Amino acid sequence: DAKTTQPPSMDCAEGRAANLPCNHSTISGNEYVYWYRQIHSQGPQYIIHGLKNNETNEMASLIITEDRKSSTLILPHATLRDTAVYYCIVRSSNRDDKIIFGKGTRLHILP
Amino acid sequence: DAGVIQSPRHEVTEMGQEVTLRCKPISGHNSLFWYRQTMMRGLELLIYFNNNVPIDDSGMPEDRFSAKMPNASFSTLKIQPSEPRDSAVYFCASIMTPANTGELFFGEGSRLTVL
Repeated sequence: DAKTTQPPSMDCAEGRAANLPCNHSTISGNEYVYWYRQIHSQGPQYIIHGLKNNETNEMASLIITEDRKSSTLILPHATLRDTAVYYCIVRSSNRDDKIIFGKGTRLHILP
Repeated sequence: DAGVIQSPRHEVTEMGQEVTLRCKPISGHNSLFWYRQTMMRGLELLIYFNNNVPIDDSGMPEDRFSAKMPNASFSTLKIQPSEPRDSAVYFCASIMTPANTGELFFGEGSRLTVL
């Protein structure tokens, strides 16, 4: 079973910041938080990941709470092309660790 | 690199027929995953390999499903005999573990329709 909980859907106006929450209250100390997105019927695409510090790359920012029990993915200026299903997963770097996807959040960017 | 390569992209077959899906992971990646995606069940992990060895096949739905990884550059997922409820998109993904980025790369998927 997935170790994360996400809202099933969210709307965001084009040009605004999209903030996608994720709860992972049972996360272990050696587990990372990863975010992927799936556009239409393509394979999921990696966005960003982090352990406990906030992270930023060219696609998004990841904010992880101090207790690591939740995180937020931020798309700073959402465009219509960001409409997708966003998945938050937790896993360790252990080679035997499963990578389980939950149902994700379906993000609709509104023009 | 060309990325994870899956074939066929689309397959339409009749119930009872054997189906073989193929996957070529990214060169140098040592873990390979097979997922199945349907509207009802979402993205399900079927089986994964590390260094060509199956680590966990608990997600394989039943004995009709089997997967092999004879070498580091090739894997197959076989369904025999196929049934209409096997209709889904099957994704293969690969990753280098352990790795700093931990990025899982997906193929474009094989869309299977069983009539």
